[in-house]
Amino acid sequence: AQRVTQPEKLLSVFKGAPVELKCNYSYSGSPELFWYVQYSRQRLQLLLRHISRESIKGFTADLNKGETSFHLKKPFAQEEDSAMYYCALGSSNTGKLIFGQGTTLQVKP
Amino acid sequence: KAGVTQTPRYLIKTRGQQVTLSCSPISGHRSVSWYQQTPGQGLQFLFEYFSETQRNKGNFPGRFSGRQFSNSRSEMNVSTLELGDSALYLCASSLSGWHNEQFFGPGTRLTVL
Repeated sequence: AQRVTQPEKLLSVFKGAPVELKCNYSYSGSPELFWYVQYSRQRLQLLLRHISRESIKGFTADLNKGETSFHLKKPFAQEEDSAMYYCALGSSNTGKLIFGQGTTLQVKP
Repeated sequence: KAGVTQTPRYLIKTRGQQVTLSCSPISGHRSVSWYQQTPGQGLQFLFEYFSETQRNKGNFPGRFSGRQFSNSRSEMNVSTLELGDSALYLCASSLSGWHNEQFFGPGTRLTVL
């Protein structure tokens, strides 16, 4: 079964601290992983995808197939990073994009 | 270019009624997906339409249905509403499917009393 798990509902850090939002997936084929973000009063939007191997707003994520993880990391959190983050998994086999339950990141001043 | 629009933005219905939600995708996008968002379950995939055909479906009862028109606009219908259907319903459009960037609408907040 295709499944995405984000074990933390809320992650609270201080400004300048490192951030790691965890995402684990369950899928036996070749998945594509994404991170979507929803800032307060804004729409859900794509942050990054693993095939791009980009750093967006200082965030990076590496697909670890051995550990079936796609954790989102940023070395120094900023207050404007406070938002809801969703990890998503898609595959050609199912043709669906499945989201995790989301993690709220709160960056305190 | 204009973003994804959803109408209405808010709806209040009573149990047993039915409701139709509308989604207008970004021009040129042929794929429209629908999601149900609740605090407890997060984002759950309902279905995806591409070129007027339902291409994928999530694990929702048959009370949830949808369609897509030739201009790619999509509607979602929920019949015999239940209290548990109260949620934010999001639609997302993309060029051709999940592997493309999904552009989300603002959502329709449905409250079932």
